[in-house]
Amino acid sequence: DGGITQSPKYLFRKEGQNVTLSCEQNLNHDAMYWYRQDPGQGLRLIYYSQIVNDFQKGDIAEGYSVSREKKESFPLTVTSAQKNPTAFYLCASSGYSGNTIYFGEGSWLTVV
Amino acid sequence: SQKIEQNSEALNIQEGKTATLTCNYTNYSPAYLQWYRQDPGRGPVFLLLIRENEKEKRKERLKVTFDTTLKQSLFHITASQPADSATYLCALGSVIGNAGNMLTFGGGTRLMVKP
Repeated sequence: DGGITQSPKYLFRKEGQNVTLSCEQNLNHDAMYWYRQDPGQGLRLIYYSQIVNDFQKGDIAEGYSVSREKKESFPLTVTSAQKNPTAFYLCASSGYSGNTIYFGEGSWLTVV
Repeated sequence: SQKIEQNSEALNIQEGKTATLTCNYTNYSPAYLQWYRQDPGRGPVFLLLIRENEKEKRKERLKVTFDTTLKQSLFHITASQPADSATYLCALGSVIGNAGNMLTFGGGTRLMVKP
């Protein structure tokens, strides 16, 4: 099936650790995105990428890093510099000619 | 700064009635507006897109209006069913570069349809 796969679904991070969330898409989409959602809140853009080997900061990029080495993959690293990382993280993608953004099923990150 | 407002209080309606959700925005001139459905613990699912030069869009029991003068969109679900219970997100969009879309999301409104 075509779609966006995020893993893991649930992740626990200790203080001071970096963790990486995986996002893979087989929709042949050029653009990929990472959003953060806090309980009862809207989605906020962390990073986005329109093409391989290029990415741009969104509204809340501090404490996060990304890479885009392959068209299908856009992993997000939550670094220890992110002071409040507990949230629901959503990966998304969109195609060249369409305006619709398609989302993965999300990953829950909790700091323990 | 850009601001998108959706009613943060849950909307409770009876099965069979029409649900109407509101999305207001300021300091933004979107090229298009989208509505998404989000179930608890799941990713948002695209429902409808309406462009700035369109007034109304329909899809089955769903209808969206877009008033760029009032800076408001209304999202209607007719003949609502308990299965329509979810959070509905409004998103304002613009095209970035050659391949991307920039979406700014509202906080969502939770709809509860009671049988």
